[in-house]
Amino acid sequence: GENVEQHPSTLSVQEGDSAVIKCTYSDSASNYFPWYKQELGKGPQLIIDIRSNVGEKKDQRIAVTLNKTAKHFSLHITETQPEDSAVYFCAASKTARQLTFGSGTQLTVLP
Amino acid sequence: DSGVTQTPKHLITATGQRVTLRCSPRSGDLSVYWYQQSLDQGLQFLIQYYNGEERAKGNILERFSAQQFPDLHSELNLSSLELGDSALYFCASSSPSRASGGGLRTDTQYFGPGTRLTVL
Repeated sequence: GENVEQHPSTLSVQEGDSAVIKCTYSDSASNYFPWYKQELGKGPQLIIDIRSNVGEKKDQRIAVTLNKTAKHFSLHITETQPEDSAVYFCAASKTARQLTFGSGTQLTVLP
Repeated sequence: DSGVTQTPKHLITATGQRVTLRCSPRSGDLSVYWYQQSLDQGLQFLIQYYNGEERAKGNILERFSAQQFPDLHSELNLSSLELGDSALYFCASSSPSRASGGGLRTDTQYFGPGTRLTVL
């Protein structure tokens, strides 16, 4: 089955700096790659996703890039703010199937 | 607010007991997924239902079962509970959509707030 690895497990940045989280996947048939943000005591919240037919997607301060050949994808957050502090999960799936999640990254934005 | 609701929010019970967790998907969503989140295993897929029928199974224990009812709400039943079953249980829902080329697009899954299960 699919295996998703996520790095780093913890990341601390100064407010205003950029943060990058990287994931690799094993199943070349995976075609959907969402990113979720989870705050303490809450469920995962979708923040951005990318499908295998595009290489990059951007939504304001958040961007995701996908390299299908290398089977890796990354989350980029620019101009970080304290409210960006949370656990971020990457995931991968095939059409209409369950998500396989990475192990999560605890992002701390220091004021 | 994702539109997915889960009850109860917290559940404390004893080993050997049986509990039922409930999920109401977003309006119009036909698929329901159950995930377990524990400290040592992360977010793990348990089971998926689509319009009342089981679609996929993950690492779901035989002591666990689920169903999706005609009104599309779903229940996850956990029996003979063990200490190791303590975790957060999330439900997610989605609806299929067609890509511009006509093929089926992968669903976007929206998660509920979860049920925290503590087994003492």
